[in-house]
Amino acid sequence: DGGITQSPKYLFRKEGQNVTLSCEQNLNHDAMYWYRQDPGQGLRLIYYSQIVNDFQKGDIAEGYSVSREKKESFPLTVTSAQKNPTAFYLCASSIWTVREGQPQHFGDGTRLSIL
Amino acid sequence: GENVEQHPSTLSVQEGDSAVIKCTYSDSASNYFPWYKQELGKRPQLIIDIRSNVGEKKDQRIAVTLNKTAKHFSLHITETQPEDSAVYFCAASRGNSGGSNYKLTFGKGTLLTVNP
Repeated sequence: DGGITQSPKYLFRKEGQNVTLSCEQNLNHDAMYWYRQDPGQGLRLIYYSQIVNDFQKGDIAEGYSVSREKKESFPLTVTSAQKNPTAFYLCASSIWTVREGQPQHFGDGTRLSIL
Repeated sequence: GENVEQHPSTLSVQEGDSAVIKCTYSDSASNYFPWYKQELGKRPQLIIDIRSNVGEKKDQRIAVTLNKTAKHFSLHITETQPEDSAVYFCAASRGNSGGSNYKLTFGKGTLLTVNP
C-alpha cells in the first residue's frame, strides 16, 4: 500500500531542545516537501527537495533544517532557534516534471507543541 | 513570487444547495491549479485539479473553472452533503520554469459548512 508516513503523530518540545519529525514515502516520488499549518492559515512551505542530497529553502525556513540522504526519506528538524514551533507539520511528495506542477500527496501530519 | 487569494474564508450552505469558492493568482506563468479538501485534524486530500490548457473540468458533483486572462479559478460543488463540510484550499504552481521548481502556493482556505 503506497503512501507517506509521518511520525510521531504528536510531539512535545522542551525549551532549547531540537526535535526531528520523520517523513517516509514509498511512492517512488522524486520531490518531497515540508509545510507548516497554523490555525486559520494556509500551508506555508518550509523546505523542499527535488533530488537526493539537494534541498532548497521555502518561504519560512528560519529555525528549521532538513536532510535528504535517501529518496524515500526527508526528515525535518525543528531547532531551538524556532521560537514559535507550535503548529501542525505536513510532509508531501510528488513526481517531478520540468514544465508543469504536479499533484502533491500528503502524510497525516505531526502536531508539535511546546512543553 | 506567486500570491494566491481565496474567498470566502467561511461559507455556510443548506444541504442540496451549491457552493462556490473563488481564488485569484498573481503569476501569469502558473499552469497548474489543484484543490484540496482537509477535514479537521487530517491530511489535505486532492479532490480535483486543472491545467492551464483547459477551461473547465468536472468530476461528479465537483467542477473547477479557470480563467487565465483574469487569473482566477473557482471550485463548484453541487448538491452539497453534510460530508462535504471541511476546509478547502486552492493552490497554484508554475512548474519548473523560471527556477521556481514547481512549488505550490496555497490560499488560506475556506471553511465550508453544510447544514442538514
